Parts: sequence; C-alpha cells; structure tokens
Amino acid sequence: DTAVSQTPKYLVTQMGNDKSIKCEQNLGHDTMYWYKQDSKKFLKIMFSYNNKELIINETVPNRFSPKSPDKAHLNLHINSLELGDSAVYFCASSQSSGGGYTFGSGTRLTVV
Amino acid sequence: DAKTTQPPSMDCAEGRAANLPCNHSTISGNEYVYWYRQIHSQGPQYIIHGLKNNETNEMASLIITEDRKSSTLILPHATLRDTAVYYCIVRVVAGTASKLTFGTGTRLQVTL
Repeated sequence: DTAVSQTPKYLVTQMGNDKSIKCEQNLGHDTMYWYKQDSKKFLKIMFSYNNKELIINETVPNRFSPKSPDKAHLNLHINSLELGDSAVYFCASSQSSGGGYTFGSGTRLTVV
Repeated sequence: DAKTTQPPSMDCAEGRAANLPCNHSTISGNEYVYWYRQIHSQGPQYIIHGLKNNETNEMASLIITEDRKSSTLILPHATLRDTAVYYCIVRVVAGTASKLTFGTGTRLQVTL
C-alpha cells in the first residue's frame, strides 16, 4: 500500500476553473502538509495541518483552501486558477513528535 | 530554522563513495540535521537525520562535525539510481509548528 497517495497525478485545466487535489496517508501520522514545486524546482511549504487543525499557512493566496476532514486526509481546493498556479504539488505527512516526512508522488497541475 | 549552504552540483563515479557536504554554521542546539533527496520529479525521499552523533542506516551515513557547524552525507557505493538532488535541512525535530524548509540542494550526477 502506498503510504501517502495523491490524486490525480496529472491535472490540466483552463484559467478560471476550480479544482481539487486529494491526499491520503495510511501511516498514522498526525500532521500533513502541502508543498508547491515551481518550474525552477524550488520546493516551498504552503500549509500544514495537525490533527485537522491548520498550523502553518505560508502567505498563500486565499484562492487556495486546504481542508482536512480527518487526520488521514488533507485536500487542496484551488479557486479561479491562474497560469502561475502551474506547478507540481506534493502532499506529505509526519509525526509531530519527530522523524522524517513522507511525501506523495506529486500532482502536476497545468493551467492553460 | 537555521540556513544551510550546499554546493550546487557534484559528480561521482558509479561504485565510488559520494560525499556531499553541508554547512550550517548558525545551527541551534535543538536543531537536527536532515537529509532528503529528490529523484527526477518524484516526491522527496527521507534519507537520514542526526543531532550530534554520526548516524548510519541502510541508505547512507551522516557525519556531523563536533562543533555541529557542518555535516557530510556519505553514499558508500553510489549507483546510477542515486542521481538526484540532495537537500540538507536543519530544523527543530518536534512540535506542530516545525517545518521542513528546502533550499536549492546539491545535484549529484553519478556516471559510469
């Protein structure tokens, strides 16, 4: 079983549309994250949730709205997509008491 | 979290040891050194972490200097599949607000 799974793997959509990316982890971790990797390959944290509660919000436009229905899931909804939102989005999870992060395989979002 | 400095790129012959350096001169006493790698466009993969003692696992060894201002990740017998971008990150290991902040990393190219 995949530890951190994201769907979809690829997403191509037009400007102005609304889309969602889903993430699930089966590691029993209490913290989940969304990272964005742009065309220059720079990985930047967007959000983190601990036990369904928003902990980190790194100055992300409010068009991005994460939702955590339970501690095993963290979804990312994006409204009014823009060209600059094109990137690879990675979900990750960890245990707040320590240890490494486990990343998903990424969702490549292309806005046309 | 303290910042790190890594060389932008390195080459290593297959079968040889790859020694990847990292400077973290402003590291605090409660910050750990973490290493991750990203192979092509896959999700980052945890390799190893340590506080002050040298660490070894099935993937690599981590050597931290006594003053903790620098460290070296050692891949004992590099293979072509180790070609990746390697990230050295320092962070407080626990706490819900702790986060992994990625820099630009070292691009390791393993050649025949």
